[in-house]
Formats: sequence, structure tokens, C-alpha cells
Amino acid sequence: KQEVTQIPAALSVPEGENLVLNCSFTDSAIYNLQWFRQDPGKGLTSLLLIQSSQREQTSGRLNASLDKSSGRSTLYIAASQPGDSATYLCAVRNFGNEKLTFGTGTRLTIIP
Amino acid sequence: SAVISQKPSRDICQRGTSLTIQCQVDSQVTMMFWYRQQPGQSLTLIATANQGSEATYESGFVIDKFPISRPNLTFSTLTVSNLSPEDSSIYLCSAETSGYEQYFGPGTRLTVT
Repeated sequence: KQEVTQIPAALSVPEGENLVLNCSFTDSAIYNLQWFRQDPGKGLTSLLLIQSSQREQTSGRLNASLDKSSGRSTLYIAASQPGDSATYLCAVRNFGNEKLTFGTGTRLTIIP
Repeated sequence: SAVISQKPSRDICQRGTSLTIQCQVDSQVTMMFWYRQQPGQSLTLIATANQGSEATYESGFVIDKFPISRPNLTFSTLTVSNLSPEDSSIYLCSAETSGYEQYFGPGTRLTVT
């Protein structure tokens, strides 16, 4: 059974700093991995989708990497801004399974 | 990509009643899902909404409590029946495109009194 872990559960950094969020998964037979952000009381916004054959994906100030062999993904946020404050969730889809397995999330606070 | 809307955005319901949530996608999608997110928790999948047939429920969720319809490729409803305070949660609809990326609606915040 796939298990997805995100550490730390919460992170506070000063505005302008670069930061890395971590996501670990136990079953490396993944089809893809998706990063989301969730603002309080809102739905999820898709940030990046990495296919199992890819090593990284970039969108603006965001860069997500994937290392299947070690069961890890990272989300790098450059030049953080207060608007980046949100909960970040990673989710994994395994081969032969249309369902996503979600991590527990990292609540990020950017301090102005 | 896909843009998903949900109605209502929030509701306060009395114990023992039911609430039906609507989910509309702006384009035809292959898969639609319903999730529950309890306060401070991550998402839990309730069921996969299958077009034209019965939904596929996850362990711990049953059709009598969470009936789901999906009459076409862009629309689905979730009903939460016989409400109790434990059903107070955010309910989220999602859709998966042909590129296997999932998109989520804004959620419905349900409070049961």
C-alpha cells in the first residue's frame, strides 16, 4: 500500500528566501506525482505534474524534482513571497490505479 | 486543463437531513472523484464517479450514505445523507484529464448542527 509523507508539517521562512518542501513515498512504481497548494478553506490548485519518466518540471518560481529510486520528490520555491503562504500537498498515482494517494501536507508561512 | 465549479460553496444543515453537492466541469473528462477533507486533515477519497453506472466506493464509504450520480462526462452530484455532526467537513470534487492530471473544485464546506 502506497504511503506518502511530507516533512516538516509546518515551515516558516522570511520573505525572499529560497526553500524546499519534501515528499516521500514508499512504493516507487508510480505513474506520476502531482504537487498542489491549498489556501485555507479552499480547494486544491495544481502546481506541477511530473510523469514517472521525468526528473523535474518547472513553472515560474517553482521547480519540482522526482527521484523514483529513492522514493522522493522536492518542490523548490525561489524568492518566496507572502502570497506563497499556503498548505502544499504532494500526491502520487501508481501504475494500474487511477486514484491519488495524498501526503499530509506542509503548511508554509512566508514572513514579510 | 479543466475548470471545476461546485455548488453550494457552503451550507449549514440540521442533523438527519441530506445535502446534495453539484460538480460541473468545463470540458469532458475521463474520471471524476469525490473527496472529504476533515478539519486539519489531508484528503480522503470517498468514491470514483463513473459515467452511466454506479460509483466505486472506497473502504468505509457506502452508497446509502453517499449516493453519487454522474449522468454525463462533465457533471456529477454527491449526496451526504442522514447528516450527523461527524459529517462536518469540506467536500471536494476533482476531475482527471486525458493527461492524467487532476484538477479540483473550490470545495463545499458543510457544517452539521
